[in-house]
Amino acid sequence: DIQMTQSPSSLTATVGDRVTITCRASQRMSSDVNWYQQKPGEAPMLLIYGASSLHSGVPSRFSGSGSGTEFTLTISTLQPEDSATYYCQSSNPYTFGQGTKLEI
Amino acid sequence: QVQLVQSGGEVKKPGASVKVSCKAFDYTFTSFGITWVRQAPGQGLEWMGWISTYSGDTNYAQKFQGRVAMSTDTSTSTAYLELRSLRFDDTAVYFCARDRLGYPSSGFDPWGQGTLVTVSS
Repeated sequence: DIQMTQSPSSLTATVGDRVTITCRASQRMSSDVNWYQQKPGEAPMLLIYGASSLHSGVPSRFSGSGSGTEFTLTISTLQPEDSATYYCQSSNPYTFGQGTKLEI
Repeated sequence: QVQLVQSGGEVKKPGASVKVSCKAFDYTFTSFGITWVRQAPGQGLEWMGWISTYSGDTNYAQKFQGRVAMSTDTSTSTAYLELRSLRFDDTAVYFCARDRLGYPSSGFDPWGQGTLVTVSS
């Protein structure tokens, strides 16, 4: 099975910072890597699909890139409401990374 | 609006089975597959499997093969997850989620609110 390894596992940043989270796949992937945001006590929310496409309603400060085995999620100008855990996800099997907890 | 509403929390004994429901509203149920994901307390997300609401075809994560069954009732736009031979480490919040488009690699959106299943003796 594909393993998805996120780094860092956690980070603390300041409002206005630019933040990048990396997801490395154990084998070469198609571009079908998705990113989710989850806040405590809530269901996850889709942010990015197809590695780089912004899901409807998601603020434009979120962006995704990557190909092959390395994918990134970037938040360009951090806002207080971005405090959450972020997960990448592979395609078939639809394995999730272990998550990155972002504190602001 | 498009939403998934899940059944309420369950408390089960080890060895028992649990069946969680996920009712869909405001879209054509058979046009989008349903995925099930679980999250143990304080842990990350774990994909369990996917079901085509059109054909009933399933794709289960290897870890759950033989212990899980996903099904649908198209007459009520409801998907079901049954997990058998429950163990203490099956205690988790179980989420259903819809394919964003008509296939699972397009991403999962929206999600149900989650159902807490507690396995306790």
